[in-house]
Amino acid sequence: EADIYQTPRYLVIGTGKKITLECSQTMGHDKMYWYQQDPGMELHLIHYSYGVNSTEKGDLSSESTVSRIRTEHFPLTLESARPSHTSQYLCASSEIGLSNEQFFGPGTRLTVL
Amino acid sequence: AQSVAQPEDQVNVAEGNPLTVKCTYSVSGNPYLFWYVQYPNRGLQFLLKYITGDNLVKGSYGFEAEFNKSQTSFHLKKPSALVSDSALYFCAGPGGGADGLTFGKGTHLIIQP
Repeated sequence: EADIYQTPRYLVIGTGKKITLECSQTMGHDKMYWYQQDPGMELHLIHYSYGVNSTEKGDLSSESTVSRIRTEHFPLTLESARPSHTSQYLCASSEIGLSNEQFFGPGTRLTVL
Repeated sequence: AQSVAQPEDQVNVAEGNPLTVKCTYSVSGNPYLFWYVQYPNRGLQFLLKYITGDNLVKGSYGFEAEFNKSQTSFHLKKPSALVSDSALYFCAGPGGGADGLTFGKGTHLIIQP
């Protein structure tokens, strides 16, 4: 079954640690996105990719980085986590084209102590 | 700048009554518009989209939305609300990065038994 996966679902970590949030999709989509969302609040686009070896920064500035070595995989990394990074991170993917809906993963709830 | 707006932070409806969640848009060209729903601790789920054609769009879980060009609106509707419809609803339109989406701030829909 085609789907989009995120791991871990929940992560509690101390300040200064390096973390990687995983995102994989089995739909063969070229476009992938990372959003940051405080619980129950609006979404902010922080990174996106048009395909392999393509990464761009989104509308909201973020200290995180992303990579796209394989079509299906779009991990997000924080080199040194801080309490201000506490949030929910949502990964999404879509086909090329303005009218195509995005499919979202379940999200990773990150808490930095 | 292209944008969508959700004027209500919260909508309260009694179970069995019709519900409406409002969205207005400000986009140039063809206004591809979407509705998503988010349940607690989950990612967003696609409900429906308007591309062109019939102004009344039918989607998942009995929801529908009416595109109104003169009022620049795309309100989400359901004839009879269920308690399980309680969730956070997002309207989205073109304008984000990667030729993606820009999201409204979200509307909390609360269905009271």
